[in-house]
Formats: sequence, structure tokens, C-alpha cells
Amino acid sequence: DGGITQSPKYLFRKEGQNVTLSCEQNLNHDAMYWYRQDPGQGLRLIYYSQIVNDFQKGDIAEGYSVSREKKESFPLTVTSAQKNPTAFYLCASSVQQGSYGYTFGSGTRLTVV
Amino acid sequence: AQSVTQPDIHITVSEGASLELRCNYSYGATPYLFWYVQSPGQGLQLLLKYFSGDTLVQGIKGFEAEFKRSQSSFNLRKPSVHWSDAAEYFCAVANDYKLSFGAGTTVTVRA
Repeated sequence: DGGITQSPKYLFRKEGQNVTLSCEQNLNHDAMYWYRQDPGQGLRLIYYSQIVNDFQKGDIAEGYSVSREKKESFPLTVTSAQKNPTAFYLCASSVQQGSYGYTFGSGTRLTVV
Repeated sequence: AQSVTQPDIHITVSEGASLELRCNYSYGATPYLFWYVQSPGQGLQLLLKYFSGDTLVQGIKGFEAEFKRSQSSFNLRKPSVHWSDAAEYFCAVANDYKLSFGAGTTVTVRA
């Protein structure tokens, strides 16, 4: 079945370390998105990519980086510059820019220890 | 940019009772509006969407939503709640080809 796979489901990181969250889709979608979810704040957009080798900052990009070298993959790196990285991270994809039928992954919960 | 507000952080409803979740959107042209549901520790699933046309939209799992321009609202309803409807619900609006989400409403279902 087609879908989005996020790994790992739980991730622990020491302060000062970078960590990369994986997001892979086999839906042949052009657009991919990273959201951060905190209690009471809903989902906030970190980065998005409409096509391979292109991506744009969302509302809270500081302290994060992404790459889009392959259509099916959109990894997110949480850098040591991110002041409060503990959160639930969700990856999503859609057929193309302007197509709002988002498919979401099951998320990665990152905890900084 | 368009935004949505969900006034209720938490709602408790009895199984079999009706449910209504509120969503208000900011001023703008006719918005593209969505409702998503999230079970604990999971991703989001689309319940329904409104782009134009009939203001009463039917979705999955027995949910419906009504777009009311005069009230800038897009409230989600279900006539009879099941225990499996306990989850967090998000209203969302399209913004420059991306979705912006509300803060969410957590629904608890009591027996």
C-alpha cells in the first residue's frame, strides 16, 4: 500500500547534537511538508518542498534544515541551534502544489535529554 | 494570510450524544477549509473539505460540516458519537498552497 513512512517513531537526543528525522513516501507525490506539533499549538509548518531539489522555509524554520534530493525522500535535520526541539514531528505529502489532499505519516516524537 | 481559530480546547461528550466542534476563519475570499482527525501518537486523517458549492459537506466516519460565510465559521458535527471518536480534531485553511492549522480540539467520549 502507498503511504508515508516516518522513522524512527521515538528519538532521544542529547542537547547540542544534531539529529535527522526520516520521511519517505511511495505515493509519487511532488510536494512534501514538515510540521511540528506542540500541545495547544496545533501544527506549525517548518519547511516544504514542491519539487525535487527545491524547498522553502515555513513559519518556524529556524534551527532546522532539509534536503530534497529524491522525490520520495524529505529528511529533516534538527540542529543544535533549535532552542526547544522536544516535540512531535509530522511529515506530509500531496500530489502537487495546490493539491490539498495531504497524506500524513505517523510522526516522530523527539525528546531532548 | 488566512487563519483558523478553534475556540474549544477540550470537549467531553457522552456516547450516543451529538457533537459539534467550532472553527472560525479569518476574513478573505472564499477559503478552502478542512477538518482532520488525529488519534493519539498518530498522523492526521482528512475527514472532509470545502472548496465551493453546497455549504453542507459530508465526510467520512459520519461527520459533516457546514460553511457559513455570514459567521465566518466551518463547524464540524456528528449526530451520534461513538467511543472511537475520541481524538483530537483540527480545522485547517489553505494558505498559498499550504495548509494552516488551528490549535485543535480534544474530544473525550464518556460511556
